[in-house]
Amino acid sequence: EVQLLESGGDFVQPGGSLRLSCAASGFRFTTSAMSWVRQAPGKGLEWVSVIYSGGKTTSYGDSVKGRFTISRDNSRNTVDLQMNSLRVDDTAIYYCVKVGYCSGGSCSAFDYWGQGTLVTVSS
Amino acid sequence: SYVLTQPPSVSVAPGKTARITCGGQNFESESVHWYQQKPGQAPVLVISYDTDRPAGIPERFSGSSSGNTATLTISRVEAGDEADYFCQKWDTRSDHAVFGGGTQLTVL
Repeated sequence: EVQLLESGGDFVQPGGSLRLSCAASGFRFTTSAMSWVRQAPGKGLEWVSVIYSGGKTTSYGDSVKGRFTISRDNSRNTVDLQMNSLRVDDTAIYYCVKVGYCSGGSCSAFDYWGQGTLVTVSS
Repeated sequence: SYVLTQPPSVSVAPGKTARITCGGQNFESESVHWYQQKPGQAPVLVISYDTDRPAGIPERFSGSSSGNTATLTISRVEAGDEADYFCQKWDTRSDHAVFGGGTQLTVL
């Protein structure tokens, strides 16, 4: 059974930093791309970032590029999202998502989702 | 930036067929995926690559694509199908994933 368990969500002031982590199990982590998708309260889904299976290729949404960094540890089956310079509009539930595969700028569907971790940015 | 357009809401009576559209550009280059999200829950993949149904998804859910519009069809709608539905594509020019704004399905 695929399991994705997020942690690290918290309340933080604008300008602050937070690191989210996702522990994965139940599938071959080393061959799967991983992504983060967020959802602001009452809003739709917004893609945040993706990291390919080898960890060397990453991509970011325009609203977080330069502030967020995705990384993975294939020896521990974890994927992290370092979030710096947080803004009020970063407030959202952050989902860790398994992607089947990525290649050449395109990826397959988001086939498994974690339950999410809430990040609240407020003064 | 790439945009996927969905109707904000669709209403359907139980037992009838619901169709949710997703419009954009360059649909022939990348497939559309569909997700169902019930209140308080994480999204679930219900259709991948325009038409493929993952294991465990009822046959009542189907997908199609023609021109620059993809459609999620839910046949014999049940009360339990009430949810938000999101379409998604990858924009290969930017290596970004894009979601539609979502459609709230109401079962009358």
